[in-house]
Amino acid sequence: GAVVSQHPSWVICKSGTSVKIECRSLDFQATTMFWYRQFPKQSLMLMATSNEGSKATYEQGVEKDKFLINHASLTLSTLTVTSAHPEDSSFYICSAYGTSGLTYEQYFGPGTRLTVT
Amino acid sequence: AQRVTQPEKLLSVFKGAPVELKCNYSYSGSPELFWYVQYSRQRLQLLLRHISRESIKGFTADLNKGETSFHLKKPFAQEEDSAMYYCALTFSGGYNKLIFGAGTRLAVHP
Repeated sequence: GAVVSQHPSWVICKSGTSVKIECRSLDFQATTMFWYRQFPKQSLMLMATSNEGSKATYEQGVEKDKFLINHASLTLSTLTVTSAHPEDSSFYICSAYGTSGLTYEQYFGPGTRLTVT
Repeated sequence: AQRVTQPEKLLSVFKGAPVELKCNYSYSGSPELFWYVQYSRQRLQLLLRHISRESIKGFTADLNKGETSFHLKKPFAQEEDSAMYYCALTFSGGYNKLIFGAGTRLAVHP
């Protein structure tokens, strides 16, 4: 139980276009989801906290108008990278806070690799 | 501000050798500490958390509030332990968000 999926797993887009990444909790409800960015051989950097039915909370230095987050339901959060540029190329990971029945924890998705050309 | 420090980028050991991955944190309150593991081409997964005080896959970690440390230990490393290990914390008022360390790559050689 407690599986998180992301779609797509990888995407290539042209500079200036927008890309949407979906994060779904498949078998549990998550009032809170988190979006991270991971550069090669580096740690996860929290970008924002997404709460169902409310505006996302962005970490310092993250452009909220560039990285649009929507958490429309208890099982789905989306991250849209608007007007993407090559420097936005990265590995984006989501997590969902919930429980498989025992303890509450963050369950991580497999990540989405974005390449902007 | 909260911070997690993992001083070693790479820890290389031979199979059967003891392993200790270091983690220090800075937070004035009482944090909750975690170790996450990421095997090659797999997603991040929780290895253990300090409040559980359990051993997972032979790994243990004890929270030392005096030294603000949460080192991960295993007495006899196995090749399948080779992975990226991240120490992380959550804190009161942080709404369950995780603060990650830089990670340590453990390489266990035959």
